[in-house]
Amino acid sequence: GNSVTQMEGPVTLSEEAFLTINCTYTATGYPSLFWYVQYPGEGLQLLLKATKADDKGSNKGFEATYRKETTSFHLEKGSVQVSDSAVYFCALSGGSNYKLTFGKGTLLTVNP
Amino acid sequence: EAGVTQFPSHSVIEKGQTVTLRCDPISGHDNLYWYRRVMGKEIKFLLHFVKESKQDESGMPNNRFLAERTGGTYSTLKVQPAELEDSGVYFCASSQGPIQYFGAGTRLSVL
Repeated sequence: GNSVTQMEGPVTLSEEAFLTINCTYTATGYPSLFWYVQYPGEGLQLLLKATKADDKGSNKGFEATYRKETTSFHLEKGSVQVSDSAVYFCALSGGSNYKLTFGKGTLLTVNP
Repeated sequence: EAGVTQFPSHSVIEKGQTVTLRCDPISGHDNLYWYRRVMGKEIKFLLHFVKESKQDESGMPNNRFLAERTGGTYSTLKVQPAELEDSGVYFCASSQGPIQYFGAGTRLSVL
């Protein structure tokens, strides 16, 4: 079956530091890949997505590239801000009903 | 436009009691999903509605869980009777395509 493995947290960084959160997946066929973010007290929000190999998703300074050869979708940001503090979830969907398979989530705390 | 709304935001019940969670999807979204996150673990799929029909309920843990979607609008998820292992955060999502929009979740604590 499908599975997602992402870097366990928590991750604590200083403002303006570089961020990488690793995500690898196992899936049959050609899944779509997502990063969702959950800010404190809020629901999950789609951060970015990629639907095929070599696609790069980007939003709010975050980027992730769909790497089929390494089955990876690592999240990166060049300079994090305090407001980026949240839980980040890597996910994939495959099949006709688009149901999502998630990783365990990574708690990011950015200190001023 | 209103997003996905879930009620209540937090519920604390005793083992053996019944709890009903409600989800109001984005208006016009035919697809409605329920997910659950048990502490420290992944968010796991529970089931998927298309309008009022259950399309996939492969993630429902057991027959103590009953989901309905009246008239293809809001959905309820009832747990009866609740057990300690049912504690967690229950998320609802809706979509009209491949992108799912999530509610803030209901935190269920079974004591």
